[in-house]
Amino acid sequence: GAVVSQHPSRVICKSGTSVKIECRSLDFQATTMFWYRQFPKKSLMLMATSNEGSKATYEQGVEKDKFLINHASLTLSTLTVTSAHPEDSSFYICSAGDYKETQYFGPGTRLLVL
Amino acid sequence: QKEVEQDPGPLSVPEGAIVSLNCTYSNSAFQYFMWYRQYSRKGPELLMYTYSSGNKEDGRFTAQVDKSSKYISLFIRDSQPSDSATYLCAMSEDSSASKIIFGSGTRLSIRP
Repeated sequence: GAVVSQHPSRVICKSGTSVKIECRSLDFQATTMFWYRQFPKKSLMLMATSNEGSKATYEQGVEKDKFLINHASLTLSTLTVTSAHPEDSSFYICSAGDYKETQYFGPGTRLLVL
Repeated sequence: QKEVEQDPGPLSVPEGAIVSLNCTYSNSAFQYFMWYRQYSRKGPELLMYTYSSGNKEDGRFTAQVDKSSKYISLFIRDSQPSDSATYLCAMSEDSSASKIIFGSGTRLSIRP
């Protein structure tokens, strides 16, 4: 149980385009989903917390117009990186909180912006 | 000072050895403590979840929390090459998943 999937697993795009990453909880309902960014050999940096049906809460320094988060259902949250630039290249990981409030992580999405 | 400190390693030990991974923290309000394992290019996987001080054992893994010293440990017995990964400690003040603070991770390599 407690499986979280992410799609796509990796994406390469041109500078200026937008990229959407999906995060799904496959066998449980997640009232809360989290989006992290991880740089090589660094820890997870929380970007935002999203609750189903409400606006996401962004961490300080994260541009909400740049990183659009939608949590339309209890099993799906999406992160859209708008007008991506090379500095947005990173490993993006989502996690979902279950009824025990433990976070279960997706496999991550590697984004490379050329 | 970071809220959670973790030695980044890398730590290299021979197969079969006992591994000790540690984190220290500064926030005495932390009550929930976790260890995650992350393989290269993958998302973290929850290994252990403990509340307050004490020990918790699961197979070859033992998590230990010493709140008086603000120190947590993960022990791996009979280490295997498949245990080679980055191990992240994490902790939070309450049971809400919202404010989990992660350590920077320790890279572990088990030599066959």
